[in-house]
Amino acid sequence: EAQVTQNPRYLITVTGKKLTVTCSQNMNHEYMSWYRQDPGLGLRQIYYSMNVEVTDKGDVPEGYKVSRKEKRNFPLILESPSPNQTSLYFCASRKLQAPRSSYEQYFGPGTRLTVT
Amino acid sequence: AQSVTQPDIHITVSEGASLELRCNYSYGATPYLFWYVQSPGQGLQLLLKYFSGDTLVQGIKGFEAEFKRSQSSFNLRKPSVHWSDAAEYFCAVGGTGRRALTFGSGTRLQVQP
Repeated sequence: EAQVTQNPRYLITVTGKKLTVTCSQNMNHEYMSWYRQDPGLGLRQIYYSMNVEVTDKGDVPEGYKVSRKEKRNFPLILESPSPNQTSLYFCASRKLQAPRSSYEQYFGPGTRLTVT
Repeated sequence: AQSVTQPDIHITVSEGASLELRCNYSYGATPYLFWYVQSPGQGLQLLLKYFSGDTLVQGIKGFEAEFKRSQSSFNLRKPSVHWSDAAEYFCAVGGTGRRALTFGSGTRLQVQP
């Protein structure tokens, strides 16, 4: 089954304690990205990757890091989390280039992070 | 730059009534357009998508959307709303090549019995 998985699904942590949210896809997609969802703001892209070892900033990258060492995995790293990073996070993947007829974008189930 | 505006933050309709959720977009080429639904505490579910061709797109759960290039709009409609449709709805544009999928701020739908 084609899917994007995220772990953990729920996380409560304290300010300054480094954490990693994992994301993995089984569809051999080149493009992966992270979004955060906040009330009244919709989803905003944090970082994206167009392939292994190719990453770039999205709209709200401050306070986050990513890496893409393998095609299937795209972890999100918060080196020193702060309360303003309390949010719902989604990982997504798709093919970098696809004909319109076969375009698909997949989202993970989300990770709810609370930073106290 | 691409952007999406959903002018209605919150809409309340009676069960069985018709529904239209508005979406206006800005995009530099022929857009890829999407509507997603998010039930409370849940992830995102794709309702429908538009890439090209017929401007009236049918989706799941009885939803449809109409692409109007002249108005830069992609409004979502349903002829008869069910209580289970209560959720938050997001319109999105883009998501091709290196472009991000840009979301609107969402419209929360409440359904009255």
